[in-house]
Amino acid sequence: SFVLTQPPSVSVAPGQTATISCGGNNIGSKSVNWCQQKPGQAPVLVVYDDNDRPTGIPERFSGSNSGHTATLTISGVEAGDEADYYCQIWDSSDYHQVFGGGTKLTVL
Amino acid sequence: EVQLVDSGGGVVRPGESLRLSCAASGFIFEDHGMSWVRQAPGKGLEWVSGISWNGAIAAYADSVKGRFTISRDNAKNSLYLQMNSLRAEDTALYYCARDLSISARPLDYWGQGTLVTVSS
Repeated sequence: SFVLTQPPSVSVAPGQTATISCGGNNIGSKSVNWCQQKPGQAPVLVVYDDNDRPTGIPERFSGSNSGHTATLTISGVEAGDEADYYCQIWDSSDYHQVFGGGTKLTVL
Repeated sequence: EVQLVDSGGGVVRPGESLRLSCAASGFIFEDHGMSWVRQAPGKGLEWVSGISWNGAIAAYADSVKGRFTISRDNAKNSLYLQMNSLRAEDTALYYCARDLSISARPLDYWGQGTLVTVSS
């Protein structure tokens, strides 16, 4: 089954740009979704289909996907963005959802 | 407003069974595939099972295949997960989640989770 690899942690200062990677074999041929999970809360979808945002998600959140790496970019990082972020793809070959291991974003 | 309310969790012994439920409201339930996703304490998200809008397709993670059964009742706007032969490693917070039903299949709404603890 498809494997998604994320860095365990990323740190960024407030106001700077955070980039979180998600690696997978030819992931650029798939559509990647990203969710945010704050402590004690259910996950929230922040980017879907590589670079679309659900209603209510700030434009600061964007995504890209090419080759073997998808990326979530958070511009102008705020303290409230501190959370775990998970990439996710739909593997249509076996009707499975696949999650990356998650990246903890720390705002310094 | 879309709402998913998970219930049915509890403390059970290894080998026992449990049935989780997810009550959906605020959207046309039969228009969407659904999934169960779990999170062990201090760990990441793990997809457990998914079901198509009409129940014709059901899929499982290898870790639960043959022990768990997903089902849905569109007339009752409800999703279920029957969990048999539970193991200590099944201990987790279980979330139901809605599939946005586009090609990317993002999970756009999640329940609050229901805690399953398997311990002797």
